[in-house]
Amino acid sequence: EPEVTQTPSHQVTQMGQEVILRCVPISNHLYFYWYRQILGQKVEFLVSFYNNEISEKSEIFDDQFSVERPDGSNFTLKIRSTKLEDSAMYFCASNRDSRNEKLFFGSGTQLSVL
Amino acid sequence: AQSVTQLDSQVPVFEEAPVELRCNYSSSVSVYLFWYVQYPNQGLQLLLKYLSGSTLVKGINGFEAEFNKSQTSFHLRKPSVHISDTAEYFCAVRETSGSRLTFGEGTQLTVNP
Repeated sequence: EPEVTQTPSHQVTQMGQEVILRCVPISNHLYFYWYRQILGQKVEFLVSFYNNEISEKSEIFDDQFSVERPDGSNFTLKIRSTKLEDSAMYFCASNRDSRNEKLFFGSGTQLSVL
Repeated sequence: AQSVTQLDSQVPVFEEAPVELRCNYSSSVSVYLFWYVQYPNQGLQLLLKYLSGSTLVKGINGFEAEFNKSQTSFHLRKPSVHISDTAEYFCAVRETSGSRLTFGEGTQLTVNP
């Protein structure tokens, strides 16, 4: 089965630094998502992206966050100035159709902010 | 807005025993219901879904779930578990008109020999 690929699997950064988390969605998918899971908490929706623009975002997704599909294959999440509370596992997901019930998730990037 | 509650954070069982992982939800609008599984060091995989029709849905790996509208529940069951079923299981809902998934806290199922 095709896979969503996320790199790196683990990223450590200093508070205040910018980080970019990278994802390669499945090639014929059109809708892209970021979710995150803070240790011990629920998996939370951050943002959905379609046709080169954000289609929906949560309250978590403030001005410190941005997403981009720079080259037609990668889908990135940038955190401009990381805070301690940004430490979490970040999951990328994709599907062909936003109404399609099957989301394909990557294995996640564990972000640790020190 | 929707919310999902998974009543058990950890469920230990012995191999070949039956298991039920509980999930309750609340929503003011119509929702679809899902169970996802996460094996160690892997992403979430869809186990099964309820969209409409029969309230008993069957998924992969011998799992099934029953949608109970009056009790707003969507419990996951398997009649006989294997060691390989050890994983974290997430219940999730999505508005029928939306794309955002709302997850429960997750249940760690540990199958012991």
